[in-house]
Amino acid sequence: DGGITQSPKYLFRKEGQNVTLSCEQNLNHDAMYWYRQDPGQGLRLIYYSQIVNDFQKGDIAEGYSVSREKKESFPLTVTSAQKNPTAFYLCASSDWLGSTDTQYFGPGTRLTVL
Amino acid sequence: KNEVEQSPQNLTAQEGEFITINCSYSVGISALHWLQQHPGGGIVSLFMLSSGKKKHGRLIATINIQEKHSSLHITASHPRDSAVYICAVRQNYGGATNKLIFGTGTLLAVQP
Repeated sequence: DGGITQSPKYLFRKEGQNVTLSCEQNLNHDAMYWYRQDPGQGLRLIYYSQIVNDFQKGDIAEGYSVSREKKESFPLTVTSAQKNPTAFYLCASSDWLGSTDTQYFGPGTRLTVL
Repeated sequence: KNEVEQSPQNLTAQEGEFITINCSYSVGISALHWLQQHPGGGIVSLFMLSSGKKKHGRLIATINIQEKHSSLHITASHPRDSAVYICAVRQNYGGATNKLIFGTGTLLAVQP
């Protein structure tokens, strides 16, 4: 079964702690994306990657970091520098960055900072 | 003003009704996507359009490039259609990217 998995589904963290959200895809897609969703707002792009060992900042990258060591994996770290980290985080992938192909989304991780 | 605007923000319908959700955008685009997000949070792509009209089952999506407007129609609506419907556009600015600009979504509730 091809798709994107994100874990965990729910995550709680104390203020001042870094936390890493997992995203794995077995669709053999080159491009991967991280979005943040807040109530009443559209999805906003945090980081994207078009190839292994390369990634670019999106519109709201401050306080976040990513890595792309393997084609199928694109973990997102929410650092303590992110001022308002409580949100729903979605990972997506597409065939390649320059295409108009559909982006496939994971089930999301809901992060709550206590 | 958002680059992608959807209306209405909330919509309640009775089962069987014909439903229309609208999306207007203010930038040049190469494609427009309609997405469905269920209460659990996962997002599914319904359509990708660059012109004309597409149909899949009870869902129909249309786009008018000149007017920068798209509509998503649901015929014979059913409670299982209850979800948030999101419009997203791929801005055409000459760059090689599949970055999308998202609307804020339309929350649809279909009552039995």
